[in-house]
Amino acid sequence: GNSVTQMEGPVTLSEEAFLTINCTYTATGYPSLFWYVQYPGEGLQLLLKATKADDKGSNKGFEATYRKETTSFHLEKGSVQVSDSAVYFCALWNQAGTALIFGKGTTLSVSS
Amino acid sequence: EAQVTQNPRYLITVTGKKLTVTCSQNMNHEYMSWYRQDPGLGLRQIYYSMNVEVTDKGDVPEGYKVSRKEKRNFPLILESPSPNQTSLYFCASSLNRGVNEKLFFGSGTQLSVL
Repeated sequence: GNSVTQMEGPVTLSEEAFLTINCTYTATGYPSLFWYVQYPGEGLQLLLKATKADDKGSNKGFEATYRKETTSFHLEKGSVQVSDSAVYFCALWNQAGTALIFGKGTTLSVSS
Repeated sequence: EAQVTQNPRYLITVTGKKLTVTCSQNMNHEYMSWYRQDPGLGLRQIYYSMNVEVTDKGDVPEGYKVSRKEKRNFPLILESPSPNQTSLYFCASSLNRGVNEKLFFGSGTQLSVL
């Protein structure tokens, strides 16, 4: 069935550093791919999504490109801020559309 | 404001004492779901509902019950809680079932079972 694997953290960066969080997927067909973010003490919220191959999702300076050839959806940001400190989840729906499947999450900590 | 509301935010209880975590959405969403989040295990689906009176098991349904009598509400019931149900719980909803839908999450309920 569909699944997603993402690098586990924690990832610790200084402000203005470049961020990459790796995510690879296994899927039947080409489902939409998502990145969700969980700030401390809050629920998850959608950060960005891409609906088909070669699509680039972007939001708040974060970007991710749906790569069919490498089955990847890596999250990147050119210059992180302290306020980006959070847990990031890569996700896709299962084939039946009944459950959103998440990676285990990557904790990002940014210091000033 | 469009939102998913869960209550309570924090709950401490003892083994065997029945409890209910409420979940309500104001977006007229068809699909609702419960997840639990545990360190090292990520988020796992407990139950989901496609519409009123239509519910089904997720990956970890043991020890939980749900009901969907109204479209907006999807309570999670623990009839006899045990310590292994200590976890962070999230309710979520979307307009329809996947594969392209955005899920909206509640703020979470931190449950401790002593």
